[in-house]
Amino acid sequence: KNQVEQSPQSLIILEGKNCTLQCNYTVSPFSNLRWYKQDTGRGPVSLTIMTFSENTKSNGRYTATLDADTKQSSLHITASQLSDSASYICVVSDRGSTLGRLYFGRGTQLTVWP
Amino acid sequence: EADIYQTPRYLVIGTGKKITLECSQTMGHDKMYWYQQDPGMELHLIHYSYGVNSTEKGDLSSESTVSRIRTEHFPLTLESARPSHTSQYLCASSEPAAHEGAYNEQFFGPGTRLTVL
Repeated sequence: KNQVEQSPQSLIILEGKNCTLQCNYTVSPFSNLRWYKQDTGRGPVSLTIMTFSENTKSNGRYTATLDADTKQSSLHITASQLSDSASYICVVSDRGSTLGRLYFGRGTQLTVWP
Repeated sequence: EADIYQTPRYLVIGTGKKITLECSQTMGHDKMYWYQQDPGMELHLIHYSYGVNSTEKGDLSSESTVSRIRTEHFPLTLESARPSHTSQYLCASSEPAAHEGAYNEQFFGPGTRLTVL
């Protein structure tokens, strides 16, 4: 069964600190992995997208890594800001259909305190 | 921010009412999607469309229906709303992948928070 598991479920950090969110998946055949940021009451916004051949990608203070062999990914946030408070969703796409079906994790709810 | 819009943003209605959630995008994307998301849970695909006059059911069984008469619009309709339909509904759109191995990024609208009393 294709699944995406994220940890931790929730995380509280102080402003300025770094943090790392984890994602494990069993989706096969693998096409790409995405990290989205979803603010409360809003739709998800793409942060990074990585294909099989990419093992790291950065977007400002966000750095995602991918280990396609162990089927693990992480999202590292550097020097956190209050505006980073959101749910971070790991999404994996398969190559098994023309739709490019997406499998969503439940997200990690990050809260940044001043 | 992507040019995809949803209205209304919030809706509270009584049981048995017919409702239509609107979704429109100005990017000319062929593919459009509807997802349902409950608090703390993953998004579930309930409908998708490859283009005009194309509609398909997604992974999660839903009593809603959709139509795609124009490229820009992908409305979702509930003929008789029930409390079990209370949820957040997210619309998304994407272009086809340019080639094998490429990805089709999905752009999401802001969502409609539906509450059925």
